[in-house]
Amino acid sequence: GAVVSQHPSRVICKSGTSVKIECRSLDFQATTMFWYRQFPKQSLMLMATSNEGSKATYEQGVEKDKFLINHASLTLSTLTVTSAHPEDSSFYICSATGQGYNYGYTFGSGTRLTVV
Amino acid sequence: KQEVTQIPAALSVPEGENLVLNCSFTDSAIYNLQWFRQDPGKGLTSLLLIQSSQREQTSGRLNASLDKSSGRSTLYIAASQPGDSATYLCAVPNSGNTPLVFGKGTRLSVIA
Repeated sequence: GAVVSQHPSRVICKSGTSVKIECRSLDFQATTMFWYRQFPKQSLMLMATSNEGSKATYEQGVEKDKFLINHASLTLSTLTVTSAHPEDSSFYICSATGQGYNYGYTFGSGTRLTVV
Repeated sequence: KQEVTQIPAALSVPEGENLVLNCSFTDSAIYNLQWFRQDPGKGLTSLLLIQSSQREQTSGRLNASLDKSSGRSTLYIAASQPGDSATYLCAVPNSGNTPLVFGKGTRLSVIA
């Protein structure tokens, strides 16, 4: 089966600091990765799509300078929340798929970010 | 623009019942359809993936069907257990690597 590993699972940071979340595909080449955020009892909200080696495509309303996405290899994408504020506290989830990939889309286990 | 609808929004059943979750989508030009479950505070776990050329997929007590022409999919859960309690999500991409379009999910509670 396909596995996507996401770390950390939980992080608490102080307001104004930056936090990096990693998403790794362990047994397939993830040509495309997606980042979502989810508020309690709400649906997933797509933040951005990243193709390996290209700049990420951000959804409307998502600040690209605040949520930095890097997808420099076929197995790793990172999301950096810069100058985090309490309103950035949320559950962040990554997803990955590959070219000709028969497992569909695989999701990481999510990262609970709390900004204090 | 693709839209995915899931019915019912919530469902509560006694343990042992068979149940059906429904998913409909507006654009039949889908690449595949995937069913997921999400437990509170967790990521999404893929349950079944049905390619556009397939009619159904089975895994254990789960069976998912796909009728592209009518824009519908169902997830059948046999002999439900309390451990099946979760939110079930249906999702489709329009092509192989575009973002998934999700339904709002069905929140299932199986009562022991």
